Amino acid sequence: RKEVEQDPGPFNVPEGATVAFNCTYSNSASQSFFWYRQDCRKEPKLLMSVYSSGNEDGRFTAQLNRASQYISLLIRDSKLSDSATYLCVVNPSPYNNNDMRFGAGTRLTVKP
Amino acid sequence: NAGVTQTPKFRILKIGQSMTLQCTQDMNHNYMYWYRQDPGMGLKLIYYSVGAGITDKGEVPNGYNVSRSTTEDFPLRLELAAPSQTSVYFCASRPVNGGETQYFGPGTRLLVL
Repeated sequence: RKEVEQDPGPFNVPEGATVAFNCTYSNSASQSFFWYRQDCRKEPKLLMSVYSSGNEDGRFTAQLNRASQYISLLIRDSKLSDSATYLCVVNPSPYNNNDMRFGAGTRLTVKP
Repeated sequence: NAGVTQTPKFRILKIGQSMTLQCTQDMNHNYMYWYRQDPGMGLKLIYYSVGAGITDKGEVPNGYNVSRSTTEDFPLRLELAAPSQTSVYFCASRPVNGGETQYFGPGTRLLVL
């Protein structure tokens, strides 16, 4: 089983749609969780951290389910500019917060 | 601030050649990282550094070397290039007291033929 697994997509949705991505992780001791966004041929950029209580930033909501070992990202009212690849990132170690594990990403295309 | 800068943007190497990928950050971040990203794959950590003079191996260090003589610079060295090292290389940094957010450079595309 991969350490961090994501549905590669692509997800093709119309503008205004709501779309959700899931990411599963294999190490139950994982400590911290993030969603990064990566535009085509660009570097990854932090979208949001994922807290145990969940968190929301405008149209984006992230949730963590420790019992089932997955995190999710919900995007409401999709915009054309949301088209990108969304990377799930997990810190699997309680002792070293430098060795992050990245999922392969889920590609989203928002169409007019 | 320029943030994290990487040079070159793109390079073609022949098998067996060597090269150094440069990475510089002007944010006074202690932590720096080198990743590689293969098509359709997640980023994999090659090496990281928690400060000048201190480096440590990541998940895929074989075939690479690093040094950290200053806070700003973290070069990645490929000694004997192999086709398996064809990839996009990203450098990243983060501050000691700034959570775990990493700030990435624009990447170096390397093709080994």
